[in-house]
Amino acid sequence: QVQLVQSGAEVKTPGASVKVSCKASGYTFTKYYMHWMRQAPGQGLEWMGRINPNSGDTNYAQNFQGRVAMTRDASVSTAYMELSGLRSDDTAVYYCARPLTTGVWEFDYWGQGTLVTVPS
Amino acid sequence: QSALTQPPSASGSPGQSVTVSCTGTSSDVGGYNCVSWYQHPPGKAPKLLIYEVSKRPSGVPDRFSGSKSGNTASLTVSGLQAEDEADYYCSSCAGSNNLVFGGGTKLTVL
Repeated sequence: QVQLVQSGAEVKTPGASVKVSCKASGYTFTKYYMHWMRQAPGQGLEWMGRINPNSGDTNYAQNFQGRVAMTRDASVSTAYMELSGLRSDDTAVYYCARPLTTGVWEFDYWGQGTLVTVPS
Repeated sequence: QSALTQPPSASGSPGQSVTVSCTGTSSDVGGYNCVSWYQHPPGKAPKLLIYEVSKRPSGVPDRFSGSKSGNTASLTVSGLQAEDEADYYCSSCAGSNNLVFGGGTKLTVL
């Protein structure tokens, strides 16, 4: 069965970077884009970007351009999202998600979420 | 501020129907048929309910339905059940390399 397992919670100081991992299993990792979303406390979901695990090509949301880097290690079926220049408003639960087999922008498999806390 | 506008709350009694709206622009909801809806219980990962405006993944009850008119998409939950109480989010692609979400609607089953 498809599973996305994310790394554990992090507490970071302002200005630092955080790198969240997402280990995939149960399917061919290189066949599906991996997307990253986040949800800040009391806020809605926000799309951060996606990576093609086969080529490494990325697309980032404009809000995160220059601060986010998505990478992957296909040998261990793991995608990574690194966010730099952390601010208190980056405190959020970060999710990785995989699209439907027949889809592009709709996600039927999600990681369990990783809480990143940046104290003000 | 989210790109798509949803009402912050909606409610209905068990057995009733409730509709949640999701308003965007011609650059997202109105321009593409890639609207999705998710149910997001507290502390859990979102669950896909509707994709491509009105399609249901296998396993999603037909009590959940989606539609779109112009720049506004809608999710209707029929035959409300207590277990439907959760946050609901819409999303839409916005061009070939962008995805936007709504701010979420908290559905309360009275």
